[in-house]
Amino acid sequence: QVQLQESGPGLVKPSETLSLTCTVSGGSITDYSWSWIRQPPGKGLEWIGYFYYSEYSKYNPSLTSRVTISGDTSRNQFSLKLRSVTAADTAVYFCARGSGSGFYYYMDVWGKGTTVTVSS
Amino acid sequence: SSELTQDPAVSVALGQTVRITCQGDTLRNYFATWYQQRPGQAPLLVIYGRNNRPSGIPDRFSGSSSGNTASLTITGAQAEDEADYYCYSRDSSYNHWVFGGGTKLTVL
Repeated sequence: QVQLQESGPGLVKPSETLSLTCTVSGGSITDYSWSWIRQPPGKGLEWIGYFYYSEYSKYNPSLTSRVTISGDTSRNQFSLKLRSVTAADTAVYFCARGSGSGFYYYMDVWGKGTTVTVSS
Repeated sequence: SSELTQDPAVSVALGQTVRITCQGDTLRNYFATWYQQRPGQAPLLVIYGRNNRPSGIPDRFSGSSSGNTASLTITGAQAEDEADYYCYSRDSSYNHWVFGGGTKLTVL
């Protein structure tokens, strides 16, 4: 059974880089795609992006200039880096496993989420 | 605002049927995926593709689509179905994915 666990600092200063890691157990990151999603306090879900290992990554157009998602097969982890953060980046960040066909995409395994606050 | 439009709130009497809708032009060509999110929890996949339920999702949940509208139907809503529901599908560029704004379902 695949399980995901997010980890990283809970507090990041404005203008710095938010870095989170998702550790995958029970499966390999070389299979499937792997996503990051966030949810600001009291608001809806926002797709950040995903990557298919050694193939390609896709990012939310509103974040693409600041975000990188990458994987580390030696640790079976994938990571999120979001640069130049502001208070608007304060959110619960989720990692998830994704799959799909040409006509749909779904995320069937999710981490529990980690809260990141951007504040000085 | 999201490119996928959902009603902010819907209510249903216990045991009755409720339909939660998601509108967007890309839904004419792509299926919606549906997630349930209870307070303080991660989203849970409930419907994907034409009308597929992951293992463990009750069969009272079903999905359908017509034109630019995708629907999640709960037949015989239970108290535990009270949650936020999000649709998810292609954005207008057909190159990325986007969530709808979410619908808060209240079971009366």
